[in-house]
Amino acid sequence: AQSVTQLGSHVSVSEGALVLLRCNYSSSVPPYLFWYVQYPNQGLQLLLKYTSAATLVKGINGFEAEFKKSETSFHLTKPSAHMSDAAEYFCAVSSVTGYSTLTFGKGTMLLVSP
Amino acid sequence: DVKVTQSSRYLVKRTGEKVFLECVQDMDHENMFWYRQDPGLGLRLIYFSYDVKMKEKGDIPEGYSVSREKKERFSLILESASTNQTSMYLCASSPPPTGGIETQYFGPGTRLLVL
Repeated sequence: AQSVTQLGSHVSVSEGALVLLRCNYSSSVPPYLFWYVQYPNQGLQLLLKYTSAATLVKGINGFEAEFKKSETSFHLTKPSAHMSDAAEYFCAVSSVTGYSTLTFGKGTMLLVSP
Repeated sequence: DVKVTQSSRYLVKRTGEKVFLECVQDMDHENMFWYRQDPGLGLRLIYFSYDVKMKEKGDIPEGYSVSREKKERFSLILESASTNQTSMYLCASSPPPTGGIETQYFGPGTRLLVL
């Protein structure tokens, strides 16, 4: 069984500040990890994914995430927040067994103030 | 670009009605998925399909069924809609896993209100 825990349902930052969204996973097999973003009234869009090739993964819009096996974490960061980053962010885990379905976290809403 | 479309953005139905939610993808993907999204609960998998006429239950299949008669189309059916099925429904598709890695591509969602 696999699961994802996102710490904090809401995170507020000021424009220009560091963004840190936390994700911890549980998986009995080597995981594949994803971050998706959902802008208001839209579907989910892939930000980045961990493919086991490199522990630091760079994604779109300046986001990156680091896979830390010892901490079972895959936190999402961005050095400087923009107003346009305001959205809901979902961490997800997939396993290589079976049909490789995704298990999502409950999401973190990022609020960016001027 | 991968395009996943859903037949309606907003839908209002009455309790007991049969409801069809349609999803079409244009990338010839084998896998298709239906999720529901509720505040504070994230996305939960209802059903998925890895081939035409094939279906697998997800985490919350009760009250739902699916149909996949063509590769590009995956339908979610609420046999008798209930108020607790009021939710946002998201469809996704993906190619078969290559080395265990696949990206799911999502449609814009259908917001269903059951009165």
